[in-house]
Amino acid sequence: SQKIEQNSEALNIQEGKTATLTCNYTNYSPAYLQWYRQDPGRGPVFLLLIRENEKEKRKERLKVTFDTTLKQSLFHITASQPADSATYLCALTGGTSYGKLTFGQGTILTVHP
Amino acid sequence: GAGVSQSPSNKVTEKGKDVELRCDPISGHTALYWYRQSLGQGLEFLIYFQGNSAPDKSGLPSDRFSAERTGGSVSTLTIQRTQQEDSAVYLCASEEANYGYTFGSGTRLTVV
Repeated sequence: SQKIEQNSEALNIQEGKTATLTCNYTNYSPAYLQWYRQDPGRGPVFLLLIRENEKEKRKERLKVTFDTTLKQSLFHITASQPADSATYLCALTGGTSYGKLTFGQGTILTVHP
Repeated sequence: GAGVSQSPSNKVTEKGKDVELRCDPISGHTALYWYRQSLGQGLEFLIYFQGNSAPDKSGLPSDRFSAERTGGSVSTLTIQRTQQEDSAVYLCASEEANYGYTFGSGTRLTVV
């Protein structure tokens, strides 16, 4: 069955360091992969989208990589700040699931001052 | 409007009652999605509307759940004969051209 795993349920890092979050998937042929941020009591907010034929995308302090051979995406936040503390979700669409996103369980990131 | 609007923001209902949840998407967005999120859980897909196509209802958990989208805009999710396991945050999102969902803030449904 199709499965998305975000390897760490929680990640704690020191301010200024780079946070790296992992998303692995199985039994998918993803057309594209997205990352979202969710704060408590709020809906997820779209951050970045990367397509199957793209290796890397950047937006300000954010970087996403997509390795369709390893079936993995890495999400990096450089020069992290306490305001980056939130839950980060990866999501996929493709194959039989094309047109709707399937979300991972999320990683709770805490950036300590 | 500027974002996706959901109402009510909170709903407490008695077991067995019917509830209606409303979503007002971003004007011009052709795709509209409903998800639910239980406490500490991930987002669970419920239903998806794309333009004038028949909706993808594959995520609806039972026939007590239904949704409609009128005039390609506002959507209503209806839960009949609510059960305690229906308690969750119901999230609506709209999207234009496969470039990221815009979510509303959700409706927190509590069935007592």
